[in-house]
Amino acid sequence: QVQLVQSGAEVKKPGSSVKVSCKASGGTFSSYAISWVRQAPGQGLEWMGRIIPILGIANYAQKFQGRVTITADKSTSTAYMELSSLRSEDTAVYYCARDQDTVTPVDYYYYMDVWGKGTTVTVSS
Amino acid sequence: DIQMTQSPSTLSASVGDRVTITCRASQSISSWLAWYQQKPGKAPKLLIYKASSLESGVPSRFSGSGSGTEFTLTISSLQPDDFATYYCQQYNRRVTFGQGTKLEIK
Repeated sequence: QVQLVQSGAEVKKPGSSVKVSCKASGGTFSSYAISWVRQAPGQGLEWMGRIIPILGIANYAQKFQGRVTITADKSTSTAYMELSSLRSEDTAVYYCARDQDTVTPVDYYYYMDVWGKGTTVTVSS
Repeated sequence: DIQMTQSPSTLSASVGDRVTITCRASQSISSWLAWYQQKPGKAPKLLIYKASSLESGVPSRFSGSGSGTEFTLTISSLQPDDFATYYCQQYNRRVTFGQGTKLEIK
């Protein structure tokens, strides 16, 4: 039974960076990808990107390209999401989630089946 | 990006009602659609994947249907625990979510 445990709440100044961690337990970390999804207060869900730990390959939503970096440490079964140049609009709950991949000869498709509890990031001067 | 549009945005219903939420994609996504339930202060919970496959442990009163650009989530008989916000998510090209449907008690 995979569980994802996220790091604690953060308060950051505009222009700074934040790094949120997501530690997996109960499964084989390298056998699945991890996505990051955020939710601003009172708003919907927004996918930011994901990483495939066994390959070390990350891809990002266009909106966050250049500002987000997703990494993974296989030795500790931990994924990280770092967001830079923070602004007030980045105030949100940030979730990590395990991806369930379906691989076909032409493409791959993934949804999220296990979620962390979320990390609140507040950006305020 | 593929846009996902849910309707209605808010739905008022009573325990025992049958309810349907619709999700439309801006282009065909085949059956690459998931549904999630989210309660206040909690992470989303997967209900349905590949448009109509029920996630393990999810009650059978939840069902999904559709393909291409139009999809529905149906709850056959609302239970008190079902009042929450529901999101659809396409995963044909990257991932995008619908804006959510809040299911509230009438």
